[in-house]
Amino acid sequence: GDSVTQMEGPVTLSEEAFLTINCTYTATGYPSLFWYVQYPGEGLQLLLKATKADDKGSNKGFEATYRKETTSFHLEKGSVQVSDSAVYFCALSDPNRGSTLGRLYFGRGTQLTVWP
Amino acid sequence: DGGITQSPKYLFRKEGQNVTLSCEQNLNHDAMYWYRQDPGQGLRLIYYSQIVNDFQKGDIAEGYSVSREKKESFPLTVTSAQKNPTAFYLCASTPTGHMNTEAFFGQGTRLTVV
Repeated sequence: GDSVTQMEGPVTLSEEAFLTINCTYTATGYPSLFWYVQYPGEGLQLLLKATKADDKGSNKGFEATYRKETTSFHLEKGSVQVSDSAVYFCALSDPNRGSTLGRLYFGRGTQLTVWP
Repeated sequence: DGGITQSPKYLFRKEGQNVTLSCEQNLNHDAMYWYRQDPGQGLRLIYYSQIVNDFQKGDIAEGYSVSREKKESFPLTVTSAQKNPTAFYLCASTPTGHMNTEAFFGQGTRLTVV
């Protein structure tokens, strides 16, 4: 079945450090891939997405490239800020799953803490 | 502004009680979902509904019930049969029929058994 595996946390970085959070997936077809972010005590917000192989999603300095050959969608940012501290979730939506077209399969989340 | 509203933000339940979590959206989305979040386990799907008066069980439906009488509303009842209900509950919606959909989430309800 469909599943997402992402890097275990927590991740602790100093401000302006480089960030990578690894994400790999298993899916039956050609899924859409997402990164969601959750700030403390809040719901999830879409950070970026990619809908086909080799697409690069980007937003707020974050980037992720849809790599079909390695079934990966790693999140990167060149210089993190304290305000980036949050939990990051990798997710997929598999259009071949019949009636649950919008249903998301989530990874376990990675807690990121950035120190000044 | 369009969005999803969950209430209450915090909810306390005594053993053996049923409680209902509210979820309302004004995005005109057909599909709505309930997820449960536990520390270190990501989000797990409880129930989903793609159209009014229809809903399906997700991965962890036991001990929960839902209704979808109106397009805008998808309340979740946590029954006394749910043995470990303490968790953070998130409601979401998507426009049905769009494969590359972005899900919109509410702010969540934190349920605690006392």
